[in-house]
Amino acid sequence: GNSVTQMEGPVTLSEEAFLTINCTYTATGYPSLFWYVQYPGEGLQLLLKATKADDKGSNKGFEATYRKETTSFHLEKGSVQVSDSAVYFCALSAFQGAQKLVFGQGTRLTINP
Amino acid sequence: DTGVSQDPRHKITKRGQNVTFRCDPISEHNRLYWYRQTLGQGPEFLTYFQNEAQLEKSRLLSDRFSAERPKGSFSTLEIQRTEQGDSAMYLCASSSWSDRVGVYEQYFGPGTRLTVT
Repeated sequence: GNSVTQMEGPVTLSEEAFLTINCTYTATGYPSLFWYVQYPGEGLQLLLKATKADDKGSNKGFEATYRKETTSFHLEKGSVQVSDSAVYFCALSAFQGAQKLVFGQGTRLTINP
Repeated sequence: DTGVSQDPRHKITKRGQNVTFRCDPISEHNRLYWYRQTLGQGPEFLTYFQNEAQLEKSRLLSDRFSAERPKGSFSTLEIQRTEQGDSAMYLCASSSWSDRVGVYEQYFGPGTRLTVT
C-alpha cells in the first residue's frame, strides 16, 4: 500500500538557520504530494503541494520538489523564524478514487531565537 | 468563507457512552473526509463522502463507528460504546476538484479532541 516516511524529530534550530525535513514515499502510480503544518492548538494547514514529477511547490519561503527517481519530497527553507515552530506532516494522495491523504508521522520543529 | 468547522472542540466521556461529532464543510465542497490522529502520529483516514454518498471506509472504522452526511452538507461521526482506545483527535476535511492544480485539495477543520475515561 501507499506509505510516507519522514525524518524523525524533534528538530531544534536557531533562528535564520537552514531547514531540511526529509520525506520519502512508496506509492503505485503517480501520487500528488503535500506538506501540511500544524501549529500548537490548531488544525492542519496546507503548506504546499506538487502534483507531478519535477514540480516544485512553494509557500511562505518553504519549498519542496517532487523527485520521482528518488521517491522524495523534502521540505526546505533557507532561513527559519521562531514563528515556523510547528509540526510538519508530509502526505500523499493517489490520483484516482478517494484521493485520501496518507500521512507521515510528523516532524516537530522548534526554532530558538 | 469561514472554513471547515467542527463541534465540539473537546469531549470528555466515560467508557461505554456514545458520542457524536459534527463537521460543517466549506459550502461549495462536495467531498468530506474524516481522519483520526493519535498523539505523536499523523492523521489516519477513516471514511469519506462524495455529496451524500459514503464511498469508502477504512478498516479502522469498526462497527461501533458510523458516519452520515445527509443532503450532502454537514456530516456527523458517531462512536457507540466508547473505549479508551478511541481517545484521539478526530479531524474533518472538505475538498473539491481544482482544475487549476488537477487535484482535490483538502482543507481541515480544527478537530474534536475526544478523551475517554
